[in-house]
Amino acid sequence: DVVLTQTPSTLSATIGQSVSISCRSSQSLLDSAGNTYLYWYLQRPGQSPQLLIYLVSNLGSGVPNRFSGSGSGTDFTLKISGVEAEDLGVYYCMQATHAPLTFGSGTKLEIK
Amino acid sequence: QVKLQQSGAELVKPGASVKLSCKTSGYTFSTSYMSWFKQIPGQSIEWIGMIYAGDGGTGYNQKFKGKATLTVDTSSSTAYMDLSSLTTEDSAVYFCARWELWYFDFWGPGTMVTVSS
Repeated sequence: DVVLTQTPSTLSATIGQSVSISCRSSQSLLDSAGNTYLYWYLQRPGQSPQLLIYLVSNLGSGVPNRFSGSGSGTDFTLKISGVEAEDLGVYYCMQATHAPLTFGSGTKLEIK
Repeated sequence: QVKLQQSGAELVKPGASVKLSCKTSGYTFSTSYMSWFKQIPGQSIEWIGMIYAGDGGTGYNQKFKGKATLTVDTSSSTAYMDLSSLTTEDSAVYFCARWELWYFDFWGPGTMVTVSS
């Protein structure tokens, strides 16, 4: 199975600060058709995950543009440009290029 | 609007089985894909499998073969997951989520399953 390693495991940020989360894959996530099925989800406390970014860098519907995704192959990054209070929760990267789908271990964002 | 409603929390004994439901509305269920996930509180998320409502075709994470069985009832736009031979390691929150074109866009609120004697 593909292992996704997220760093850091915990992030503490002040309102307005910009932060980045890294997701490294044990295998390339580029498929033979040229697609990279790498996603970012936010799970707020007590809630189900919600889509932030799909296919590396595409913003999900209704997601604020302070969120952005980048990367290729095995290295990916989620950036939040100006953290807001509602951004607290656990961020997960997920890959769907290789079966089975797998998730990273999560990055918990705390607001100082 | 799209809604996924999951069944209520379950307390089951070791060795028993349980059937969880995910009732959908607001979209054409019969041509959609649904996946199920497991999350032990405080831990990451595991993908269990996916089912295509059109023909009931399924794909499973090898880890959950023999443990989970996915089915659908298109007449009620509901997806189901049977979990069998339950042990304490199956205690978790289980989510259903719709796969739409490129991503999981709508998720159910989750069902907590507790396995205890």
